[in-house]
Amino acid sequence: SAVISQKPSRDICQRGTSLTIQCQVDSQVTMMFWYRQQPGQSLTLIATANQGSEATYESGFVIDKFPISRPNLTFSTLTVSNMSPEDSSIYLCSVVVSGSGDTQYFGPGTRLTVL
Amino acid sequence: SQKIEQNSEALNIQEGKTATLTCNYTNYSPAYLQWYRQDPGRGPVFLLLIRENEKEKRKERLKVTFDTTLKQSLFHITASQPADSATYLCALSSGGSYIPTFGRGTSLIVHP
Repeated sequence: SAVISQKPSRDICQRGTSLTIQCQVDSQVTMMFWYRQQPGQSLTLIATANQGSEATYESGFVIDKFPISRPNLTFSTLTVSNMSPEDSSIYLCSVVVSGSGDTQYFGPGTRLTVL
Repeated sequence: SQKIEQNSEALNIQEGKTATLTCNYTNYSPAYLQWYRQDPGRGPVFLLLIRENEKEKRKERLKVTFDTTLKQSLFHITASQPADSATYLCALSSGGSYIPTFGRGTSLIVHP
């Protein structure tokens, strides 16, 4: 298994500003992902964070809006840029741990409210 | 298009009864299916994984079935407790991909 922490746990931001969310894992992992979960909705994959290279974004998500860094195998950041109220959501990072089969482990999430 | 359906209405049951949650899917050939538990304001927590060639899997009070003909998985919690109250998500994955597609989840409320 893996223990994942996220910072901040929640934030309230003004329209037009940016917020960077940090994800720290207690062990080295190859695969790390960022998800969004809007109220009452399922988890939506934003991107796969690749160590040492550009993230792989899913359809509907772009790097300018959601820049991602992954400097090593235990840490990643997701920035939500030029925020609007539609970006209000829970943002979650997740990892797949080698030897755990195909199980994903999730962080506690960051609850973002944009006014 | 691929679709995963979980009952959007909350399931209310009495403590001690068996809770049964349903996950149906269409236009999908999953290699495996996972069930997660999510508490309010928290990230999902993995519970069970079942592969396409498995009919049933158990873990303590939990049981999952997987019927690829019906395109359905059932998730059972026996001897349910109020602490089992949460939202339960199913997630499907194709072979060769670690990235599952998640359903919206079903809320379970166990009354004392």
